Amino acid sequence: GAGVSQSPRYKVAKRGQDVALRCDPISGHVSLFWYQQALGQGPEFLTYFQNEAQLDKSGLPSDRFFAERPEGSVSTLKIQRTQQEDSAVYLCASSLTLVGDNEQFFGPGTRLTVL
Amino acid sequence: AQSVAQPEDQVNVAEGNPLTVKCTYSVSGNPYLFWYVQYPNRGLQFLLKYITGDNLVKGSYGFEAEFNKSQTSFHLKKPSALVSDSALYFCAVSLNNFGNEKLTFGTGTRLTIIP
Repeated sequence: GAGVSQSPRYKVAKRGQDVALRCDPISGHVSLFWYQQALGQGPEFLTYFQNEAQLDKSGLPSDRFFAERPEGSVSTLKIQRTQQEDSAVYLCASSLTLVGDNEQFFGPGTRLTVL
Repeated sequence: AQSVAQPEDQVNVAEGNPLTVKCTYSVSGNPYLFWYVQYPNRGLQFLLKYITGDNLVKGSYGFEAEFNKSQTSFHLKKPSALVSDSALYFCAVSLNNFGNEKLTFGTGTRLTIIP
């Protein structure tokens, strides 16, 4: 079956532009996560949804970052007034249930480059 | 707070030899532990997980990992390495706590299998 998909795969933005990154989770998966992976580093948690509810946004680095999942399926991560330090790969993951022992399935990521 | 350490940035192993990729963790509570592999331009792929029970867990592609509570370690192992095992490996931990599923990753270990 289809896995987690993300679009666009690559995004180049000029400093100060707004960007929107899309994640389509595996159908039926309750939990959805966003992570940021800087070059040469492991992914770092940004935010987490159970269905449409955003339960944890403690990892969002600033108020320029905003995520939503209005119908409990597709999610969008928006970054306003992008800065060079926002350049990274943004990973989306989904998991089946509310219980933490389920593995997360990752999408291929969106590589954001801010010039 | 939770954290993961992968003390080796790079591990080189001859094809056919056993391999070990090290991981230690720190959590205040009971952990869920995971190993993921990342190939170039592809998302993270789940290899195996420890939830509870037998300390030796087996996963995909012949990999296994041993949970050691006293040493807070979860090293990844394979008896006989293949060239195709060359990739970037991440250890991750989450809390055994309902509603707190976010993963904390290590910085990754690049495994190179030498023909």
